[in-house]
Amino acid sequence: DAGVIQSPRHEVTEMGQEVTLRCKPISGHDYLFWYRQTMMRGLELLIYFNNNVPIDDSGMPEDRFSAKMPNASFSTLKIQPSEPRDSAVYFCASSLRPGGLYEQYFGPGTRLTVT
Amino acid sequence: AQTVTQSQPEMSVQEAETVTLSCTYDTSESDYYLFWYKQPPSRQMILVIRQEAYKQQNATENRFSVNFQKAAKSFSLKISDSQLGDAAMYFCAYRGNYNNNDMRFGAGTRLTVKP
Repeated sequence: DAGVIQSPRHEVTEMGQEVTLRCKPISGHDYLFWYRQTMMRGLELLIYFNNNVPIDDSGMPEDRFSAKMPNASFSTLKIQPSEPRDSAVYFCASSLRPGGLYEQYFGPGTRLTVT
Repeated sequence: AQTVTQSQPEMSVQEAETVTLSCTYDTSESDYYLFWYKQPPSRQMILVIRQEAYKQQNATENRFSVNFQKAAKSFSLKISDSQLGDAAMYFCAYRGNYNNNDMRFGAGTRLTVKP
């Protein structure tokens, strides 16, 4: 099993540019999560999907952020336009079942730097 | 809202010794789940151990064990026979039973293992 795959691993962009982060969950996992990790705020849940449908996007910071899951094997997190305060590590995670003791499997993260 | 507090930003331990990382949480729920994740320099978040709140018996995974004190809302992680590969950031996480896809993470503890 390849685990959760994220691309790119590193992204450097200029303020105002569009950024797209990609995620491939573990096959068979019905739940997909996007997190953001910063020194100031730690690890925060941005949005999660169940069977490709967004369930809770209350963690999305503002309208510049959007996420999609067009099929069970692919999700994107887009920031348009990007700002320096968006610099962070963005993680994608997937889970077989909701809640309980079911583990969320994390990808390696994408380190985003906005200059 | 549930909060997770890790009061030790940094800890160090001598190789082969034992170290305990602290975690407290705040919740009004009676049924919930607790986790410890490890994040090595590779950034990959790896599940170390998990515990159900309604189980009084402390979870154990090889050299890793927890001390779960429900009344005190405390969930500490004990690492025995510390190894150099244990050096990482350790995150305590809480998942409630009500909103069971919202996992709340603490700020993390950076563990250094001295040879």
